[in-house]
Amino acid sequence: AQSVTQLGSHVSVSEGALVLLRCNYSSSVPPYLFWYVQYPNQGLQLLLKYTSAATLVKGINGFEAEFKKSETSFHLTKPSAHMSDAAEYFCAVSVDFGNEKLTFGTGTRLTIIP
Amino acid sequence: EAGVTQFPSHSVIEKGQTVTLRCDPISGHDNLYWYRRVMGKEIKFLLHFVKESKQDESGMPNNRFLAERTGGTYSTLKVQPAELEDSGVYFCASSPQGLVPYNEQFFGPGTRLTVL
Repeated sequence: AQSVTQLGSHVSVSEGALVLLRCNYSSSVPPYLFWYVQYPNQGLQLLLKYTSAATLVKGINGFEAEFKKSETSFHLTKPSAHMSDAAEYFCAVSVDFGNEKLTFGTGTRLTIIP
Repeated sequence: EAGVTQFPSHSVIEKGQTVTLRCDPISGHDNLYWYRRVMGKEIKFLLHFVKESKQDESGMPNNRFLAERTGGTYSTLKVQPAELEDSGVYFCASSPQGLVPYNEQFFGPGTRLTVL
């Protein structure tokens, strides 16, 4: 069975500072990895995904993540935080081909300090 | 194109009552998933439909939960009778059937269920 660990349920960064949200996964087979974002009163929106192509994945809104197999990590970064980045972020893994159910981490709430 | 919609957005019921949640997927999406997030915990998979058939219901908590997908279009999730631990946010997601390595799931805004 697969699992996801997100370190830090709450992260605060200053506007313009680096955003780093951590995600580690556990999987017995090569995984697909995802980052989703949820803004208030909205559904989850896919930020980016890793599907065994390039290990550095670029997503929307300037976010990117790097798949590191040796560290079983898929951390999310953005060079310069913007006020609009304040939201909750979820890391997820899927390994079931044909039934692509997602296994999520507990989420990280990102606060941007003006 | 309309996204995934869920109704109601909020529901407050008393223990022992019945509640039915509805999800309308994106038109043409054969895959429909239900997930639940209990407060402070991770979002957990409940079940997966392909068209009108249940592909995987391994995440359903118990037999108080019944999911249906009429004609492969919208889906309902009924909780009967509701218990306090059923409180949480119920998300629905849909995705197309395809040959790409992974079909993106599009999520609805969720239904917040509170059982008193």
